[in-house]
Amino acid sequence: QSVLTQPPSVSAAPGQKVTISCSGSSSNIGNNYVSWYQQLPGTAPKLLIYENNKRPSGIPDRFSGSKSGTSATLGITGLQTGDEADYYCGTWDSSLNAYVFGTGTKVTVL
Amino acid sequence: EVQLLESGGGLVQPGGSLRLPCAASGFTFNIYPMSWVRQAPGKGLEWVSAISGSGGSTNYADSVKGRFTISRDNSKNTLYLQMNSLRAEDTAVYYCARTVRGWYFDYWGQGTLVTVSS
Repeated sequence: QSVLTQPPSVSAAPGQKVTISCSGSSSNIGNNYVSWYQQLPGTAPKLLIYENNKRPSGIPDRFSGSKSGTSATLGITGLQTGDEADYYCGTWDSSLNAYVFGTGTKVTVL
Repeated sequence: EVQLLESGGGLVQPGGSLRLPCAASGFTFNIYPMSWVRQAPGKGLEWVSAISGSGGSTNYADSVKGRFTISRDNSKNTLYLQMNSLRAEDTAVYYCARTVRGWYFDYWGQGTLVTVSS
């Protein structure tokens, strides 16, 4: 059972915005950087956001990340059909001495 | 171009062993920590293990501690995961991932499927 909680699914129409929450605790999100990963169907995960709010080269600015206290949020604006995927947050947990992933959120474009 | 290529997956009986190599190219392998992440069929991502660039420091998830061993051969640009005492719940796609301090995974391999079944 993951220590990072995400909503199982979110959905919106093309062009709209979705946000995905990631809730943790002081031993993980509260004191460590958060990253986000996109996993398209049948493919390996891909880094979307690192160090809470930074985008790797090639990731469009439609994707954004933020962190406040023990929670983090991924935002996707201008939703496209190609954004349909599973999204995972992740961070180091200082109490577990282990990296932890969120439970994952499926994004559906209506 | 950074490339990570896992191999060695397959069908193994409960209690058996398997070694997964991950061949790396396109970057200076010995300065990056590396990790293994797995995904059971239809389930989420689970971090398994990580190793420092020199190989001198390792970490493991509680679920595999004492059964799995991560190692690397920097002369061959290859990461390994030795899996012993395999259980049905170890069935998953295993990904190797380049790891950056501050803890994130910036490049991933395509994965290799390990099935533990009699």
